[in-house]
Amino acid sequence: NAGVTQTPKFRVLKTGQSMTLLCAQDMNHEYMYWYRQDPGMGLRLIHYSVGEGTTAKGEVPDGYNVSRLKKQNFLLGLESAAPSQTSVYFCASSTQTGALNQPQHFGDGTRLSIL
Amino acid sequence: GESVGLHLPTLSVQEGDNSIINCAYSNSASDYFIWYKQESGKGPQFIIDIRSNMDKRQGQRVTVLLNKTVKHLSLQIAATQPGDSAVYFCAETGFNDYKLSFGAGTTVTVRA
Repeated sequence: NAGVTQTPKFRVLKTGQSMTLLCAQDMNHEYMYWYRQDPGMGLRLIHYSVGEGTTAKGEVPDGYNVSRLKKQNFLLGLESAAPSQTSVYFCASSTQTGALNQPQHFGDGTRLSIL
Repeated sequence: GESVGLHLPTLSVQEGDNSIINCAYSNSASDYFIWYKQESGKGPQFIIDIRSNMDKRQGQRVTVLLNKTVKHLSLQIAATQPGDSAVYFCAETGFNDYKLSFGAGTTVTVRA
């Protein structure tokens, strides 16, 4: 059971380049999330999705866009990369049982460097 | 805004001893709390969770305690092993709000 899979695992970009990070989950979860993690800090929510075709802004959405065309996939796009976007990006997914939240499951991250 | 935070950024513990990792939260509406373990180069891994209608929950070698009066959460690891060396995060969310707020993490180092 793969869980949450992120691709690529590593990437180096030049300032101004664009790229898309892919997240795929095989647990049939309704909710998906993109976080960034910077040194010495916890995870900060960039964007999230409560279902196929819907997305919403999180805590730090500027400079990023997302799409959820299929339930199992959640894409994070950087249209014009900036050095401040150098970070480790994590995708997660979760579900609810009734109205009760269940734990988020995380991928192993994409390490992105912007030169 | 309200946030979740950990009391200490680092914790060094002797192998075989018990570890206690603390977390304070400020949102009185928080309903669901999770502890995650993150090893180097990996994503956060779920350890244990607890809901606000409980004050203690036990797993395998781990216990989570919740004190809603003082908004405090702790993770106890029994008989700490070298494999327990990692960064530990607490996270919380409110009822029917699936978005998590994370603390900055505590780095646990196990001494042989």
